Amino acid sequence: GESVGLHLPTLSVQEGDNSIINCAYSNSASDYFIWYKQESGKGPQFIIDIRSNMDKRQGQRVTVLLNKTVKHLSLQIAATQPGDSAVYFCAEKTSGSARQLTFGSGTQLTVLP
Amino acid sequence: DAGVTQSPTHLIKTRGQQVTLRCSPKSGHDTVSWYQQALGQGPQFIFQYYEEEERQRGNFPDRFSGHQFPNYSSELNVNALLLGDSALYLCASSSGLGVSNQPQHFGDGTRLSIL
Repeated sequence: GESVGLHLPTLSVQEGDNSIINCAYSNSASDYFIWYKQESGKGPQFIIDIRSNMDKRQGQRVTVLLNKTVKHLSLQIAATQPGDSAVYFCAEKTSGSARQLTFGSGTQLTVLP
Repeated sequence: DAGVTQSPTHLIKTRGQQVTLRCSPKSGHDTVSWYQQALGQGPQFIFQYYEEEERQRGNFPDRFSGHQFPNYSSELNVNALLLGDSALYLCASSSGLGVSNQPQHFGDGTRLSIL
C-alpha cells in the first residue's frame, strides 16, 4: 500500500521562554536514554543522555528527567533561542542490546521571535 | 577532530539497481551502526558492526548488507532497490561494545532517492 509520512507533534515557544519536550518510551528493560536534536538536512546531534539509575541530569541549558514508573522522559530547554528550532528525538537502548537505539517519532520545536 | 563522515551526500537510483553507501567513524570510535530515516519519522536501526563483524541486526531484509574494514570505516549495500528504500541513511559511531553506555554520534547522512 501507499506509505504516508507521519505528522510530527509540534511545539511553539517564544524566544527566552523555557521549553519542555516529552517522550513516552516503550520498553521497561531500557537502561539508557538519549536526546538528539536534528536540524533540516543534518544528522541527529547528541544533546544529553541519562542512565536508568538516575532520574535527573543537567547540562548546559538542558535538563533531562526520567520517570521509570510511567516510562516517561522529558527534555527541558532553558531560555529557548532561535537556534534551538529543530526536531527533537528521544532514543532508548534496551539492556543487553549493545548499541541498538530505538527512536521515538520526534517533536518539531519552533522558536518564535 | 573529524566527526562521522558519510558519502555521497545525495544519490539517485532506479528500481532494481544496487547501491553502496560509505561511512568513516569519528576518530577513536570502532563501532558503526546504520539507520534508515524515512521522511517525517525517527531513524530505524538496520545493523551494527564491530571488529569487522555484524553484531546486531534490526528488522530489515537480506537485501541490506554491510561491511566493516580494518580501519573501522563501513559500507552499507542495498540490492534490488525498491521505491520504499527512498530515505536518509545515517551512520553512527561509538566506542567498543564492552564500554559502558555512551552516546552514538551521527553523520549527516546520505539522501537516497529511488525513481
